[in-house]
Amino acid sequence: IAGITQAPTSQILAAGRRMTLRCTQDMRHNAMYWYRQDLGLGLRLIHYSNTAGTTGKGEVPDGYSVSRANTDDFPLTLASAVPSQTSVYFCASSDGGTGADTQYFGPGTRLTVL
Amino acid sequence: GQNIDQPTEMTATEGAIVQINCTYQTSGFNGLFWYQQHAGEAPTFLSYNVLDGLEEKGRFSSFLSRSKGYSYLLLKELQMKDSASYLCAVRDSNYQLIWGAGTKLIIKP
Repeated sequence: IAGITQAPTSQILAAGRRMTLRCTQDMRHNAMYWYRQDLGLGLRLIHYSNTAGTTGKGEVPDGYSVSRANTDDFPLTLASAVPSQTSVYFCASSDGGTGADTQYFGPGTRLTVL
Repeated sequence: GQNIDQPTEMTATEGAIVQINCTYQTSGFNGLFWYQQHAGEAPTFLSYNVLDGLEEKGRFSSFLSRSKGYSYLLLKELQMKDSASYLCAVRDSNYQLIWGAGTKLIIKP
C-alpha cells in the first residue's frame, strides 16, 4: 500500500441499507478526514479525526458516523442510506502538525443511493 | 458565513498563460491552498500560501493578499495535461479547510 486507499471504488445502494466506506492510510498520519463532493459545490467535510481515538463533526455530519480505532483506518458508515447521500466520497489524511499540514486524498468512492 | 469564490470555467490555449482567481471570506485565516483535480480523480496538492506575496513552483505560481481576501493561481506554458479543475481552499480559525467549488480549465490546441 502506498498512500491512501479507499474501498469500494463505486457502489449502488438501495435506500435504507447500511453501508461502510473503508479508508486506510500507510503514511502514519495523525489526522484523517471524510469529504463529499457534489457537482457545483466545493468539498464538504463530513467528519474528521485529529488522532487515533478521537473524532469530530464537520460541516455535514448528519446521517454519517465514523470511528478511529487505530492510526491507519477511518471507516465512514451510513446507517440508513438516503438518495441525497449520492455523491463522491473522498478520504484524506494529514500529518496534523504545524505549518502547511497538507491533506492527501484517496482515490474516492462513487456512491449512488436509489 | 464562510465563502470561497472562483470562476466556474475558463478556457485557454496551449502554450499560453492563465490566471485563476479566488476570493474568500472566512472566519479566520490560517493559510490558503490550491489543488488540482483531473476528472474522475482525487485532488492533488499544488501550493500553499500563508504570507502575502508570490510563491513560484515551476510552471505554477500562487499569489496571496490577505488584506484583500484574494489569491490567484498562475499557470504558464500551458500543456494539454493541465486541463483539470483547480480548487481553492482556505484554512479557517478552527483549522478546517473551506473549499471553493473549483474552476474547470479547458485547454485548446
